[in-house]
Amino acid sequence: GNSVTQMEGPVTLSEEAFLTINCTYTATGYPSLFWYVQYPGEGLQLLLKATKADDKGSNKGFEATYRKETTSFHLEKGSVQVSDSAVYFCALLLISSGSARQLTFGSGTQLTVLP
Amino acid sequence: GAVVSQHPSRVICKSGTSVKIECRSLDFQATTMFWYRQFPKQSLMLMATSNEGSKATYEQGVEKDKFLINHASLTLSTLTVTSAHPEDSSFYICSAAQPLGIYEQYFGPGTRLTVT
Repeated sequence: GNSVTQMEGPVTLSEEAFLTINCTYTATGYPSLFWYVQYPGEGLQLLLKATKADDKGSNKGFEATYRKETTSFHLEKGSVQVSDSAVYFCALLLISSGSARQLTFGSGTQLTVLP
Repeated sequence: GAVVSQHPSRVICKSGTSVKIECRSLDFQATTMFWYRQFPKQSLMLMATSNEGSKATYEQGVEKDKFLINHASLTLSTLTVTSAHPEDSSFYICSAAQPLGIYEQYFGPGTRLTVT
């Protein structure tokens, strides 16, 4: 089946530090990959996405590159801010017959950025 | 654009009562809506997929008689937790997908249900 594995948190960084959150996946086909962010008490917001190998998704200083050879989609940011403190979810979408576009989520990684 | 709302944002109910949670797509038509459950510090668990005008498809282990889902229009889906018990306390999140948006789901802000 399909699955997403994220590095376990929590991750605590100082402001302006470099961030990497690892994400690897297992899929029976050729998925699209996503990073979602969840701020405290809120739903999920799409942060970035990539739909094919070697695509780089980017948004708000965050980047992730779809690496088919390593089945990875690691999230990076060069300089984190306190406002980036949130839970980050890696997810994949694999459309198969009869599927209604179901997302498979990783376990989430809590990021705390200290001033 | 692509805003999804949920109501209520928080609800407290007594054990044995039923609670209805609404999920609305405010500026687009959603042929498919998804309902998730999230436990503290855990990931989202897909409960069911609902398509407008048809019965919802429930994930394995989710009781369809307990979690009633209705998707009566292209902008509204409801989740009713029937005969709620304390173990049903959780954060419920819905998402909606546009008819042609096969890649992206738009998530609601979530509903915190507490059953006492």
